[in-house]
Amino acid sequence: DSGVTQTPKHLITATGQRVTLRCSPRSGDLSVYWYQQSLDQGLQFLIHYYNGEERAKGNILERFSAQQFPDLHSELNLSSLELGDSALYFCASSVRPSTDTQYFGPGTRLTVL
Amino acid sequence: AQSVTQLGSHVSVSEGALVLLRCNYSSSVPPYLFWYVQYPNQGLQLLLKYTSAATLVKGINGFEAEFKKSETSFHLTKPSAHMSDAAEYFCAVSVPSGTYKYIFGTGTRLKVLA
Repeated sequence: DSGVTQTPKHLITATGQRVTLRCSPRSGDLSVYWYQQSLDQGLQFLIHYYNGEERAKGNILERFSAQQFPDLHSELNLSSLELGDSALYFCASSVRPSTDTQYFGPGTRLTVL
Repeated sequence: AQSVTQLGSHVSVSEGALVLLRCNYSSSVPPYLFWYVQYPNQGLQLLLKYTSAATLVKGINGFEAEFKKSETSFHLTKPSAHMSDAAEYFCAVSVPSGTYKYIFGTGTRLKVLA
């Protein structure tokens, strides 16, 4: 158990819908990262937050957004969902926004029908 | 910009044989390098990391990796494969900068044959 929690574990929804994925980092970790893992794209970095502020953006679509709240939990919002958004979404946390080890949560499996 | 390349998306070894998973990186500044493992239906777990100290890094479960600057490589090895090593392995690179982020390789799926 990494100490990072993600909810829900599974999510099934329809095209055009909007969903919110939630992540709680390990106690004491200020950095949260979001990743998308799919069979055709591999593991893609989406976005990084540190202590409530956005620090880096990766391959995140404009339909996707994220935020980190004062209690340090983070949410990833996916809207206007398409079939291709079906993937595993991982959250990871670390103490600092540097090269610290990232601890990954178990992931949320999103299926868009 | 940094990047990482993992050679071989699938590797099969016999139980007890040497495991060698290849990773080459590209970075304009001294990088930090990582190996992560992902077991089925689980998140990624750190195996080991190189942070500019010793070039030979020992990790968990008997794995180790050697940083070779001249070859821009960070290959992962284990002397004797065990059935429980079957998983997907990811190499990652990052550099300490203001827009820090990890770049992951495409992964290598290790199969261990009895």
